[in-house]
This record gives sequence, C-alpha cells and structure tokens, in this order.
Amino acid sequence: RKEVEQDPGPFNVPEGATVAFNCTYSNSASQSFFWYRQDCRKEPKLLMSVYSSGNEDGRFTAQLNRASQYISLLIRDSKLSDSATYLCVVNGGTGGFKTIFGAGTRLFVKA
Amino acid sequence: IAGITQAPTSQILAAGRRMTLRCTQDMRHNAMYWYRQDLGLGLRLIHYSNTAGTTGKGEVPDGYSVSRANTDDFPLTLASAVPSQTSVYFCASSENSDIYNEQFFGPGTRLTVL
Repeated sequence: RKEVEQDPGPFNVPEGATVAFNCTYSNSASQSFFWYRQDCRKEPKLLMSVYSSGNEDGRFTAQLNRASQYISLLIRDSKLSDSATYLCVVNGGTGGFKTIFGAGTRLFVKA
Repeated sequence: IAGITQAPTSQILAAGRRMTLRCTQDMRHNAMYWYRQDLGLGLRLIHYSNTAGTTGKGEVPDGYSVSRANTDDFPLTLASAVPSQTSVYFCASSENSDIYNEQFFGPGTRLTVL
C-alpha cells in the first residue's frame, strides 16, 4: 500500500460545479498536511496547508480527519483556471525525513 | 527576485555519461531538496540538505549524489546515467526543515537518458 494515496481522476466538471478530492495516508504519526497545485509541465505550488480544525481560503476548503487518516479538498464554484493536478502532501512521522507526495488528482473544468 | 532557478531546462543524455543538474535559490533558505517526478508515482525525494554543509538521503538516492557547499547552491550529480533516470527533476527549498514549512519549487529539468 502506498503511504499516500489519491484518486488519479481525471475529474471532469463543468464551470460552477463543486468538486471534492480525498487523500488517504497510512502513517498515523504524520503531523502536517498540505495541498499543492501543479499546472501542466510546471512546478508544484502551495495551495493551502491543512489544519486539524479545517481551513478555508475563498472557494477552497481543506479538512483533516485524523481518525480515518485522510485529508480532503473541496473546490466550490469551479473556474476554468482551476484545471490542474492537485497534490496531497503528508509530513512527519517516525524514521528520518518524511515528506511524502501523493501522485496527484487531475481536474479538468470545462465551459 | 528569481526564487529558485534550475539548469538546464532540458537535456538528452547518453547512458553512461556524467551529468550535473544545477539549482540555485536566492531566498536564503536553509533547507533544500531534490525530487524526481514520474508519471503515476508523484514526486519522490532523492536527497535533501537541512543546512549548508549537510546532506541526507531521501527515498530514492541510488545513482545520485549532492553537495551543499553554500546556502544558495545544491547541485545534483548523476555519476553514470541510466535510462531509468529519465524523469523530471525538481529542486525545492524551504526556510528550514520544519515540517510545517512550505516548500518552494524550481521550474524543473526534463532529463532523457538514452
């Protein structure tokens, strides 16, 4: 089992739709969590950190469920410009340096 | 402010050749990282450096070496390239190695080993 798993998609949604991605992680000692966005043939960029209480940034909401070991990203009112790959990142745990990236979920928003 | 620069942008390399990928940051970040990204596998950490003068092995270090002589530069060397090292290589940095810090990525180097 991969340490961090994401549904690869692609998710094809119309503009204005609400879409949600989940990311599961296997290391219960993980301590910090992020969502990064990666455009085609570009570098990843931080979208938002994920806090235990959940956090919102405009149309984006991230939540952490430690009991079930997953994080989620909700995008409301999807825009064409939201089309990208969304990478889940999990940090921490035992055994040295532990930053694990998920393989990403691809989103296409269509007019 | 450039952030992180990588060179070359892309490279085609014959198997067995030596290659150094360059990475420079101007943010005075203490921690730097090298990742490779392959389809379906996500980014995998090759080597990292928590501060100038120190380096550590990541998830997939075999066939790669790094050095960190100063804060700004973190070159990655392939001593004898093999086709399985064909990938997109991203250099990244963060203020320090605290796991709560954001990582900033360079634009990547696309390497093809034939």
